[in-house]
Amino acid sequence: SYVLTQPPSVSVAPGQTARITCGGNNIGSDRVHWYQQKPGQAPVLVVHDDYDRPSGIPERFSGSKSGNTATLTISRVEAGDEADYYCQVWDESSDRVFGGGTKLTVL
Amino acid sequence: EVQLVQSGAEVKRPGESLKISCKGSGYSFSNYWIAWVRQMPGKGLEWMGIIYPGDSDTRYSPSFQGQVTISADKSISTAYLQWSSLKASDTAMYYCARILYGGTVYFQHWGQGSLVTVSS
Repeated sequence: SYVLTQPPSVSVAPGQTARITCGGNNIGSDRVHWYQQKPGQAPVLVVHDDYDRPSGIPERFSGSKSGNTATLTISRVEAGDEADYYCQVWDESSDRVFGGGTKLTVL
Repeated sequence: EVQLVQSGAEVKRPGESLKISCKGSGYSFSNYWIAWVRQMPGKGLEWMGIIYPGDSDTRYSPSFQGQVTISADKSISTAYLQWSSLKASDTAMYYCARILYGGTVYFQHWGQGSLVTVSS
């Protein structure tokens, strides 16, 4: 079963850069996608296919990958970025395609 | 504009059956896979299964195979998630999502969620 490992929490001051990591054994050969979920709301896709942004997502959100770790970087963090963030790959034989989630706190 | 509108909150007793819905609009419903995702209280996201409304091809996550049934009626652009006998542990928020399914697979657009509470 595929396991994606995310830090439970990340804290950053407004205006600084937040980096949220996602580790997995096969991540280097899989496409990684990222979702933002604000309290009481449905998830929203913020990055797909490692580094592509859907229309309407600010350029402050970017994705990258190196080895077995993918990273979601949020530049110039704002209070409105406070949310849970999930990484995702696809393996239909696995019940775990999402990481455990990272709570981003804006100090 | 792509929209997925889900049915409302439900409160059920253990052992009861339930069918919740997800109606798509703003795109060709038959031509995109729909996924169901569970989020238990205070927990993360879990994929349950996916369906292609065009031919009702359905795939289940190993954890949910045999536990739920996913179906779709393309004539009314609606997908369904159903249980035959609910358990307290089915209490969760359930999301439908339109997914891009091919060389890459991701959840493009999400419904607003349907809260299911199972309690005696």
